[in-house]
Amino acid sequence: DAGVIQSPRHEVTEMGQEVTLRCKPISGHNSLFWYRQTMMRGLELLIYFNNNVPIDDSGMPEDRFSAKMPNASFSTLKIQPSEPRDSAVYFCASSFLRGRGYTFGSGTRLTVV
Amino acid sequence: KQEVTQIPAALSVPEGENLVLNCSFTDSAIYNLQWFRQDPGKGLTSLLLIQSSQREQTSGRLNASLDKSSGRSTLYIAASQPGDSATYLCAVITQGAQKLVFGQGTRLTINP
Repeated sequence: DAGVIQSPRHEVTEMGQEVTLRCKPISGHNSLFWYRQTMMRGLELLIYFNNNVPIDDSGMPEDRFSAKMPNASFSTLKIQPSEPRDSAVYFCASSFLRGRGYTFGSGTRLTVV
Repeated sequence: KQEVTQIPAALSVPEGENLVLNCSFTDSAIYNLQWFRQDPGKGLTSLLLIQSSQREQTSGRLNASLDKSSGRSTLYIAASQPGDSATYLCAVITQGAQKLVFGQGTRLTINP
């Protein structure tokens, strides 16, 4: 298994532009999580899905952020419009059952200038 | 609200020493606890997963213990090597929840 795959690895964009981050979970995993990591706040959960359905989006910072999971093998996190304070590393993780642990992708490093 | 704390924030030791990293959590009603390793600029690699019914888990030179009643876990690294240098993160899932709540991590440096 190739693990959780995220793209792009790095993204540099100008303030005000739309940014789309992508994630392919491990095949067979039924839960998907989006986390954001910053020096100040560490790792924070943004949103998670069970069986493609959003369960908890209370961590999404504001309406500029949206996430979708159209099928079991693909999810997107979109920021529109982007702002410099959105600069962070965004991780996607997936799990089969919560008791089995979580597998993280390599992350997308987003820089908004 | 579950809070996870890791002490110390940074640790530097000479190669070959045994060391202990600490993790504490405020709500003892956890489902499981997971230790991760993160190398600079990289993702998170799972090291050990301890279920709430377990007291410890071992993998090679790593041993993680769990004391739910006191809200603590430790990660013991035996015979440390320079390749062990990384940030170690502790994360818990609280009963009735599904999300991992992370500590801020301990940045470990092993000096040759």
